[in-house]
Amino acid sequence: QVQLVQSGAEVKKPGASVKVSCKASGYPFTDYYLHWVRQAPGQGLEWVGGIHPKSGDPQYAPNLQGRASMTRDTSINTAYMELNSLRSDDTAMYYCARYCVSASCYGMDVWGQGTTVTVSS
Amino acid sequence: DIVMTQSPLSLPVTPGEPASISCRSSQSLLYSDGHNYLDWYLQKPGQSPQLLISLGSNRASGVPDRFSGSGSGTDFTLKISRVEAEDVGVYYCMQSLQTRTFGQGTKLEIK
Repeated sequence: QVQLVQSGAEVKKPGASVKVSCKASGYPFTDYYLHWVRQAPGQGLEWVGGIHPKSGDPQYAPNLQGRASMTRDTSINTAYMELNSLRSDDTAMYYCARYCVSASCYGMDVWGQGTTVTVSS
Repeated sequence: DIVMTQSPLSLPVTPGEPASISCRSSQSLLYSDGHNYLDWYLQKPGQSPQLLISLGSNRASGVPDRFSGSGSGTDFTLKISRVEAEDVGVYYCMQSLQTRTFGQGTKLEIK
């Protein structure tokens, strides 16, 4: 079945970097955009950015431009989100989500289980 | 940046009764192709978000027909014709015309 499986929880110190992975299965990895969305504790959803696995072209939320980096490895159907210079307000659950654009579907139709990133000294 | 504003932020509903959530965007989401680039998502407690409605009014696969989306331009509405206990959670609208932006979320709870 179509699924996205993310890497495990991370605990980092302020100023460090974190890299979260999202492994896709059950569909052609390079045919669908992958987005990253985060949710701080008790807060709403915030779009982080996205990448098209075929081209590798990334998009970033303006407030994260320069600190976020999105990459992919098409040989293992995996996308990565790296966040540098971590701050306490980066503490959040990070989700990857497939973005479907076709005649039969549109929108973030498949989501990963989420990866908790905690930034604490 | 396009700003998304939802109302109400909290919505207590009696089972079997209808519910309605409003979402307004700071600029029109109607593109030249005739589509409104507005999606609705539901995040049930302890779960990842799930897609309900795309392009303003298209129900996603497997979504019950008691959910419907309407609106165009800057004003959109998600309606639930008869609320069930399983509909509890936080509802988000999201624009996809320019990058992506979510609304603040509307928490639906059962009275």
